[in-house]
Amino acid sequence: AQKVTQAQTEISVVEKEDVTLDCVYETRDTTYYLFWYKQPPSGELVFLIRRNSFDEQNEISGRYSWNFQKSTSSFNFTITASQVVDSAVYFCALSRHALNFGKGTSLLVTP
Amino acid sequence: EAQVTQNPRYLITVTGKKLTVTCSQNMNHEYMSWYRQDPGLGLRQIYYSMNVEVTDKGDVPEGYKVSRKEKRNFPLILESPSPNQTSLYFCASSLSTDRAWTFGSGTRLTVV
Repeated sequence: AQKVTQAQTEISVVEKEDVTLDCVYETRDTTYYLFWYKQPPSGELVFLIRRNSFDEQNEISGRYSWNFQKSTSSFNFTITASQVVDSAVYFCALSRHALNFGKGTSLLVTP
Repeated sequence: EAQVTQNPRYLITVTGKKLTVTCSQNMNHEYMSWYRQDPGLGLRQIYYSMNVEVTDKGDVPEGYKVSRKEKRNFPLILESPSPNQTSLYFCASSLSTDRAWTFGSGTRLTVV
C-alpha cells in the first residue's frame, strides 16, 4: 500500500521567512514517482514538481527547492523568502495508477 | 489549449436523484482519475482508468460509478447520491503515471 504523510496541517509565516513543508511517504514499489501540487485560494490544483525514485538530485526552481531523500523516505519542499502569493494548500503525492495524496499543508504568509 | 474540462462547476441536488459529472480531456492522455476533496482529509481517489474500457477502484469508490468508452471522456456517476457525498470533486488526466497530472477546475456538489 502507498501512503503519504504531511504532518504539518497549518503553517503561518511572515513574509520573507523561509519555510519547509515536510512530506514522508511509504511504498513497496522500487520505482515510484513523487509530486508536489499547489492549491491556491481560487481552488485549482497546480503542478509544481515531479521526482522519480532513481534520481536523488535536489531541485531548485527560483525560490522553490525540493529535497528528496530515499533513505528517510522524504520529499520536502522549501520556499525561500516567502511571499503572500505563496499562501495556499500544498499537497505531496505518490503516483501509481493515479495519485495518492497527503492531507496537505495549509501555508499562510502574512505581510 | 490543453485542458481537462469538468461540468458542472456547481451542483445542488437532492438525495437519491441520479447525476453525472462529466470530464473531458483534449490531450490524448491514457490515464484519467477522479478524486474527492474534503476538509481535513485531503484528496482521495475514487476511480481511475488506464485506458478505454479499463477502470479500477480507488480508495473511496462506494456510491460511485465510472465509464471509459472513449479516450477523452471519463464521467463520474452517482446513481443514488447521499449527503455524505457532498464534496469537491476533481477529475485529472495524465499521459502516464510518471508524468504530471492535469486537473480540471473542480465540481462542488451539494446533496441535500
